[in-house]
Amino acid sequence: QQPVQSPQAVILREGEDAVINCSSSKALYSVHWYRQKHGEAPVFLMILLKGGEQKGHDKISASFNEKKQQSSLYLTASQLSYSGTYFCGTERGSARQLTFGSGTQLTVLP
Amino acid sequence: KAGVTQTPRYLIKTRGQQVTLSCSPISGHRSVSWYQQTPGQGLQFLFEYFSETQRNKGNFPGRFSGRQFSNSRSEMNVSTLELGDSALYLCASRSEAGAYNEQFFGPGTRLTVL
Repeated sequence: QQPVQSPQAVILREGEDAVINCSSSKALYSVHWYRQKHGEAPVFLMILLKGGEQKGHDKISASFNEKKQQSSLYLTASQLSYSGTYFCGTERGSARQLTFGSGTQLTVLP
Repeated sequence: KAGVTQTPRYLIKTRGQQVTLSCSPISGHRSVSWYQQTPGQGLQFLFEYFSETQRNKGNFPGRFSGRQFSNSRSEMNVSTLELGDSALYLCASRSEAGAYNEQFFGPGTRLTVL
């Protein structure tokens, strides 16, 4: 089942903060975050595991609330290069199959 | 390490034809997944191969098939192309070693069906 991302789009000024949410109705094993710029492939940002471990980009942080099956990606002091579409991918159990949300389009203006 | 590579990068075909796309994973990665990305449907999972075996499959018709070779390289085949098959086809690989198993995407193959 596809995770739900919110908001669908956000526009902010350079230096502002943003939060992107990803929620699932099913119990998750892991959540993966990617950023995709127009015409390019998705780039890996973060992975969060059930149990609290996480690994990823050193300038982007994220959380995973296992009780709510919700993950949030925190973009602080955003830069122009942060513009793009952010996808969360969720994994249930050991299936090793990522199901992606519909994406959040982030635009950072100077 | 070199990243995931995909060939060709662009492809134009006509309805009814078939097409084969190729993916070379990151060295040491044994899992390869394929995705279809379209503006309307987003990123849709096609299938995943691990050690030459299809381990997971998405909800796509049988016209979409794949295989993986002993060197972990993978190919995806679409037979009897339809206009709706026009999309960006992405391949991604992951190592399966360790707890994290991050998945890395290739640049994609842009398929246009006329």
